[in-house]
Amino acid sequence: NAGVTQTPKFRVLKTGQSMTLLCAQDMNHEYMYWYRQDPGMGLRLIHYSVGEGTTAKGEVPDGYNVSRLKKQNFLLGLESAAPSQTSVYFCASTESSYNEQFFGPGTRLTVL
Amino acid sequence: TQLLEQSPQFLSIQEGENLTVYCNSSSVFSSLQWYRQEPGEGPVLLVTVVTGGEVKKLKRLTFQFGDARKDSSLHITAAQPGDTGLYLCAGGRRGGFKTIFGAGTRLFVKA
Repeated sequence: NAGVTQTPKFRVLKTGQSMTLLCAQDMNHEYMYWYRQDPGMGLRLIHYSVGEGTTAKGEVPDGYNVSRLKKQNFLLGLESAAPSQTSVYFCASTESSYNEQFFGPGTRLTVL
Repeated sequence: TQLLEQSPQFLSIQEGENLTVYCNSSSVFSSLQWYRQEPGEGPVLLVTVVTGGEVKKLKRLTFQFGDARKDSSLHITAAQPGDTGLYLCAGGRRGGFKTIFGAGTRLFVKA
């Protein structure tokens, strides 16, 4: 099992450009999450999904959109990137919020 | 808003020393998890505690959940350079959709 995979691992964008981050899990988990991690601020929840076809806003959703068309995939989109979105993005999946979260290796995004 | 506060934020110690990291909240959680994150990787679960007063041991690491299920501690005995990393606590509620993460304690163990 690959667990949770994320693509790409690194990306540099110019302000105003758009991109999509892909997360895939092969554990048949219902719950998937997108976090951003910034120095001294821990993991902040951007959006999450509790099942195929469902999405919900987290703590810091502005400037991001998500889609969960297939159970195994959770996409995070940036329509118009801003320097404030420079961060490391982690995807995670779990059976429920009560259980262990399995994290991907992260995507390091720099917006110039 | 449920907050999990971790202390200290940063800790640099010599190999062989003991240390304790704290995770505190004003809210009650159904479960409290501890993760360790190494540079360039995602967090990995160390332990989950679910019962007030529960103590779990993982080799040289001892985890405790407070009686009121609002706080937790992680104690490392005889720290080694391999223990270096970011330690995150996370709280969950049965039936809830989200897990709340603390900001983390960055530990550096010098050889």
